[in-house]
Amino acid sequence: AAGVIQSPRHLIKEKRETATLKCYPIPRHDTVYWYQQGPGQDPQFLISFYEKMQSDKGSIPDRFSAQQFSDYHSELNMSSLELGDSALYFCASSLSGAWDETQYFGPGTRLLVL
Amino acid sequence: AQRVTQPEKLLSVFKGAPVELKCNYSYSGSPELFWYVQYSRQRLQLLLRHISRESIKGFTADLNKGETSFHLKKPFAQEEDSAMYYCALKGGSQGNLIFGKGTKLSVKP
Repeated sequence: AAGVIQSPRHLIKEKRETATLKCYPIPRHDTVYWYQQGPGQDPQFLISFYEKMQSDKGSIPDRFSAQQFSDYHSELNMSSLELGDSALYFCASSLSGAWDETQYFGPGTRLLVL
Repeated sequence: AQRVTQPEKLLSVFKGAPVELKCNYSYSGSPELFWYVQYSRQRLQLLLRHISRESIKGFTADLNKGETSFHLKKPFAQEEDSAMYYCALKGGSQGNLIFGKGTKLSVKP
């Protein structure tokens, strides 16, 4: 079965640079979530989208923005990168209205800021 | 406040021994709880969800509303069970997950 796809899988950036992370949800899933997992930390919710509209916001810095497109894929844009942004960024998708609305996670993008 | 607590950072058992990973939650309302497993450097994978009351890979978890707990249990641990286990609560207005800090399970031969 198709799973959540994230690209790139690894990314190395310098401080103050920008980065764009992409997420392709499971086909027919209409909800996308972004999570950040720092080294040795639990995943922290950043932001979510439902039907191309932002649905909830967590601990996402103002330097970050995200959107969901008409094909339901989502992009997380990160500007003025800081060393502390180095983390694993997970995307998850779910189908709203399904009996369980379980979130299925992608493999993550590992971002290293030097 | 919505919170998930996993009191053990590390749990080490021998193969064949029973294992219990503890999870307590704080949530006003009817909670939806999940266990996710993360094998070394891999994605988070859904292990169990309380609404389906299933057993996956020999693991079970029962929601105890009186004790606000959702402990994960397995009667006989296997070496391939070694991984990070996260308990998660579905919270927020649109269902984002709130994770516990995770418990690293190490099953020794």
